[in-house]
Amino acid sequence: AQSVSQHNHHVILSEAASLELGCNYSYGGTVNLFWYVQYPGQHLQLLLKYFSGDPLVKGIKGFEAEFIKSKFSFNLRKPSVQWSDTAEYFCAVRSKNNAGNMLTFGGGTRLMVKP
Amino acid sequence: DAGVIQSPRHEVTEMGQEVTLRCKPISGHNSLFWYRQTMMRGLELLIYFNNNVPIDDSGMPEDRFSAKMPNASFSTLKIQPSEPRDSAVYFCASRPGTSGIYEQFFGPGTRLTVL
Repeated sequence: AQSVSQHNHHVILSEAASLELGCNYSYGGTVNLFWYVQYPGQHLQLLLKYFSGDPLVKGIKGFEAEFIKSKFSFNLRKPSVQWSDTAEYFCAVRSKNNAGNMLTFGGGTRLMVKP
Repeated sequence: DAGVIQSPRHEVTEMGQEVTLRCKPISGHNSLFWYRQTMMRGLELLIYFNNNVPIDDSGMPEDRFSAKMPNASFSTLKIQPSEPRDSAVYFCASRPGTSGIYEQFFGPGTRLTVL
């Protein structure tokens, strides 16, 4: 069974600091990759996704993620975080052999940005 | 589009009572997912439906949990009898049937507290 690991459970940064959140998955075949964000008290919203093509994916609010197939990774980055980026971030993977088209979610990373 | 609609938004009940959570997926979406989110266990997939048919219910924790999707625009998740450890936020998500679109669209969640 595929799995998704987000090794950073909690991250605390000051405003304007750079952000990188790790995401590693276990499946070796073709995958589709997603990052979701959950702001305090809200539901999960799609931040960005990778299907194919350019491994560097740009998302909303200045976020980007890079798919590195050889490392089974899809890390999320932002050059300069803002207080409003305080949220929980979830990485998710869909594998092509998943007949049900489910997403497997990582455990999430809680980001706190200090003003 | 109103997005995925869930009701109630908050539910407080006493142990042993029956709880019914409701979800209306986005019109035209043919896959529906029920998730549970807790601090301890993160985001867990409970069950998902494709074209109103349950495909995978391996995440349903116990027989006390049941889910139905009588038509394409409505699903329920029932807990009977409820227990304090069922306290969590329950999210419903839906996905369009369009090939190549695998991201899920989440509802606002139902925060359940079982006393």
